[in-house]
Amino acid sequence: SQQGEEDPQALSIQEGENATMNCSYKTSINNLQWYRQNSGRGLVHLILIRSNEREKHSGRLRVTLDTSKKSSSLLITASRAADTASYFCATDISGGSNYKLTFGKGTLLTVNP
Amino acid sequence: EAQVTQNPRYLITVTGKKLTVTCSQNMNHEYMSWYRQDPGLGLRQIYYSMNVEVTDKGDVPEGYKVSRKEKRNFPLILESPSPNQTSLYFCASSYTGTGYGYTFGSGTRLTVV
Repeated sequence: SQQGEEDPQALSIQEGENATMNCSYKTSINNLQWYRQNSGRGLVHLILIRSNEREKHSGRLRVTLDTSKKSSSLLITASRAADTASYFCATDISGGSNYKLTFGKGTLLTVNP
Repeated sequence: EAQVTQNPRYLITVTGKKLTVTCSQNMNHEYMSWYRQDPGLGLRQIYYSMNVEVTDKGDVPEGYKVSRKEKRNFPLILESPSPNQTSLYFCASSYTGTGYGYTFGSGTRLTVV
């Protein structure tokens, strides 16, 4: 598997439900970031969590990081149809270049009205 | 409004005809980068720049050139485009690198026939 791999590849839920996406990575990181991409559009930065942090919140988003398991999760609470998008995790590898984020292939979230 | 502006949004060209995709940011960011996005392969970094006159290769630099003569601009040059460069291209910038979230442009969909 590559550095930064999201699971599941696709997720379909009803409006109002919570959505959880996971990201696993292989090597130690400085930080992990989550991005959203609406179909064919530019990516939008959602949240950055550093390696010494365990949880961060931003509005309806909650991100956790478990460095011992090399994994992160993104929780979207009370989802809306407008949350329909692809979600990517991106890792900044510890000891690597300071100028490269490595992106996963994403989770496609569909929120049905 | 803080943004990264790419042009053109769509481009169809023929094999071998030199082209430039422009990228400009208005946030005084030091770091800029180009990515290409392909189905099944995710986002891959082409080139990045840490500051004016400082550029380096990413994961897939073959067939591309870049320059950083001014802080705000980071054009991507395809000297002799080939069909395997058909892709969705994104320019991104951040304050100093991977320790901050990236701001992405809206993307350039390039087709080489």
